[in-house]
Amino acid sequence: AQSVTQLGSHVSVSEGALVLLRCNYSSSVPPYLFWYVQYPNQGLQLLLKYTSAATLVKGINGFEAEFKKSETSFHLTKPSAHMSDAAEYFCAVSSGGSYIPTFGRGTSLIVHP
Amino acid sequence: SQTIHQWPATLVQPVGSPLSLECTVEGTSNPNLYWYRQAAGRGLQLLFYSVGIGQISSEVPQNLSASRPQDRQFILSSKKLLLSDSGFYLCAADGTNEKLFFGSGTQLSVL
Repeated sequence: AQSVTQLGSHVSVSEGALVLLRCNYSSSVPPYLFWYVQYPNQGLQLLLKYTSAATLVKGINGFEAEFKKSETSFHLTKPSAHMSDAAEYFCAVSSGGSYIPTFGRGTSLIVHP
Repeated sequence: SQTIHQWPATLVQPVGSPLSLECTVEGTSNPNLYWYRQAAGRGLQLLFYSVGIGQISSEVPQNLSASRPQDRQFILSSKKLLLSDSGFYLCAADGTNEKLFFGSGTQLSVL
């Protein structure tokens, strides 16, 4: 079985501040891990993915995430938030030969000027 | 490039009316297809997935159904909508490199 927990349904930061969105996963086999972003009234877009290569993964728009097996975590970070980063962010895991991903509940990122 | 066309973008339906949402995929062959529902504050819930024409797996019991009449066409239906069916519905397909790509979604309001 696989599952994802995203800590914090809302995260609020000031423009220019560090962004940290937390994701912990559970998987009985080595997982594939993903972060997706959703802008209002749109579908999801892939930000980045981990598929057993480098543990530090760089994605689009300056985001990156680090896979930490010992902590079963895949937190998303960005050094400096922009107003345009305001969106809903979803962490997802797939594993065990079944490609079907399981999504977290999402974290809404709010960026203040 | 891989794209998903999903329509309509918004839909307001009375309780008890039927539903049909359609999604078509371009840029890939024989994809796995998915219907997700996103309710406020509840993340994405997988409703159905399909690994091929006529092959549908349901993840949750409900009054919705899905069909895949063609390789790149996926339809979500209901004979009688409930208030609890309101939500944002997303169609998705397997892309390259283990990722999913999504349609732009349908906002369904059942009144």
